[in-house]
Amino acid sequence: SYELTQPPSVSVAPGQTASISCGGTNIGRKSVHWYQQKPGQAPILVVYDDGDRPSGIPQRFSGSNSGNTATLTISRVEVGDEADYYCQVWDSTSGHRVFGTGTKVSVL
Amino acid sequence: VQLVESGGGLVKPGGSLRLSCAASGFSFSSYSMNWVRQAPGKGLEWVSSISSSSGDIYNADSVKGRFTISRDNAKNSLFLQMESLRVEDTAVYYCAKQIGGSSGFDYWGQGTLVTVSP
Repeated sequence: SYELTQPPSVSVAPGQTASISCGGTNIGRKSVHWYQQKPGQAPILVVYDDGDRPSGIPQRFSGSNSGNTATLTISRVEVGDEADYYCQVWDSTSGHRVFGTGTKVSVL
Repeated sequence: VQLVESGGGLVKPGGSLRLSCAASGFSFSSYSMNWVRQAPGKGLEWVSSISSSSGDIYNADSVKGRFTISRDNAKNSLFLQMESLRVEDTAVYYCAKQIGGSSGFDYWGQGTLVTVSP
């Protein structure tokens, strides 16, 4: 089965840039989606199809995808960005949706 | 768009439960829908998906043969019938709307807690 690997945690100072990686075999050939989840809340889609943003999501959130790694970049990080972030793809071989292991972003 | 799950609760191992998700604010019959769960303190786990017409259904290996996803487009409702429940099925279960033409999930419900305990 297809697997997605994320770093368990990322720490960043306010105003700096946070980069969250999502590794998977030939992930560059798939569309990657990213979700933000704060404690006690449902996930929110922040980036879809590698780099598109839903309405209402700040331009500070951007995504890229190539080779074996997709990346979510959060520019000018704010305290309110502190949350867990998950990547997700569709595995066309099995028809299954797959989530990454999740990354906790801490704003110091 | 609003998705409201119901049907969660406490059940013993081997028991059954039926979750529902009431959808509103969009053309429910036009979109694929999904169930995603999250065990306490753990990450997100996709459970099951169903296409708009129910023609395509996929299940995670962890629930195959035990869980059945279905939908009633006339009633704007999504269901998850869970049988032979195990302790490891304990989780918050979310229903999620899939983006048209994409495999991402653009709207999520607030979730319903399922606890499987002796």
